[in-house]
Amino acid sequence: KQEVTQIPAALSVPEGENLVLNCSFTDSAIYNLQWFRQDPGKGLTSLLLIQSSQREQTSGRLNASLDKSSGRSTLYIAASQPGDSATYLCAVKETSGSRLTFGEGTQLTVNP
Amino acid sequence: DAGVIQSPRHEVTEMGQEVTLRCKPISGHDYLFWYRQTMMRGLELLIYFNNNVPIDDSGMPEDRFSAKMPNASFSTLKIQPSEPRDSAVYFCASSSHIYNEQFFGPGTRLTVL
Repeated sequence: KQEVTQIPAALSVPEGENLVLNCSFTDSAIYNLQWFRQDPGKGLTSLLLIQSSQREQTSGRLNASLDKSSGRSTLYIAASQPGDSATYLCAVKETSGSRLTFGEGTQLTVNP
Repeated sequence: DAGVIQSPRHEVTEMGQEVTLRCKPISGHDYLFWYRQTMMRGLELLIYFNNNVPIDDSGMPEDRFSAKMPNASFSTLKIQPSEPRDSAVYFCASSSHIYNEQFFGPGTRLTVL
């Protein structure tokens, strides 16, 4: 059974700092990996989708990398801003199944 | 596009009552997913549909839960009878393909007293 772990569970940084969020998964037979952002009381917003054949994806200040063989992904946020404060979730889609398996998320706080 | 639309946004009911949650997927998306999010278990897939047909309902917790998709633009998740342990946020998501990006609705926060 696929298990997805995110470390750290919570992170607090000063504004302007570059930071890295980590995601690991136990079964490397994945089709893709998706990073989401969730604001309190809101739904999930898709940030980046990385296909298993890709090494990284970039969108603005966000860069996500994928190392399928080691079962790891990172989300890099450059020049963090208070508006980046949210919970960040990663989810993997396995090749054998239909479901997304989610990690428990990293709660990020960026302090002004 | 308005994105995935869910209603109601909040629902408070008493144990034993029937609850119906509604979802309108993004137009043109052939896949619709229902998820539940709790503090204890995180986000879990309950059921998903392809072209209005239920494909995988293995995540539905028990017979009290049922889901339908009568047409491409509407789906319901029903709980009858509801119990306090059903209290959670229920999300609907849609995608154009099973392996494509999923887009989530704002969720329905259900509280069963």
